[in-house]
Amino acid sequence: QSALTQPPSASGSPGQSVTISCTGTSGDVGGYNYVSWYQQHPGKAPKLMIYEVTKRPSGVPDRFSGSKSGSTASLTVSGLQAEDEADYYCSSYADSNSVVFGAGTKLTVL
Amino acid sequence: EVQLVESGGGLIQPGGSLRLSCAASGFSVSSNYMSWVRQAPGKGLEWVSVIYSGGSTYYADSVKGRFTISRDNSKNTLYLQMNSLRGEDTAVYYCARDFYDFWSGTWAYWGQGTLVTVSS
Repeated sequence: QSALTQPPSASGSPGQSVTISCTGTSGDVGGYNYVSWYQQHPGKAPKLMIYEVTKRPSGVPDRFSGSKSGSTASLTVSGLQAEDEADYYCSSYADSNSVVFGAGTKLTVL
Repeated sequence: EVQLVESGGGLIQPGGSLRLSCAASGFSVSSNYMSWVRQAPGKGLEWVSVIYSGGSTYYADSVKGRFTISRDNSKNTLYLQMNSLRGEDTAVYYCARDFYDFWSGTWAYWGQGTLVTVSS
């Protein structure tokens, strides 16, 4: 149950696009399509932004998109807005009926 | 409306025990896959445990043998019994409901969290 690898930080100016990667193994990201992305603002509970690699829950702007290639998943935020500044976590269903998270990426809107 | 409200957190000495509760409304705990996820101060998220609608339970290696997940269908409440607590168990504990009617580790519904501090 090793953590997924995410960059600790990412940044972009308003209106720009930023992509956050999430690297795992064949036992998690590479082996399953239950990859999710969560947004978390300070002191708040996580919010589901992307599920099943590419799907957006109702109410999540289409500026948020997800993809996967092999054992690396990615979250892209287009048209950055000030309110997108938050911590982002990827997660994946994994072998042995478990779930593994990434360590999180702090997104800064410059 | 789906709501999850955790309670039971607090300050506990190393080696002690604590039971967390998560009161659910707007849906049935017994018909869903329910999890506990924790977050140490300033750190990332960590999945802790899941209970299937059928009653099967699974745990992260870090808590296996020390924590027990359960539910009371009559009270529509999820529990986490935590024994032999250690400093590294200090975290905000969230309960969460799986997005699907099967175990996927995808959570659209979260509680507000309850803080557990293990310290002497």
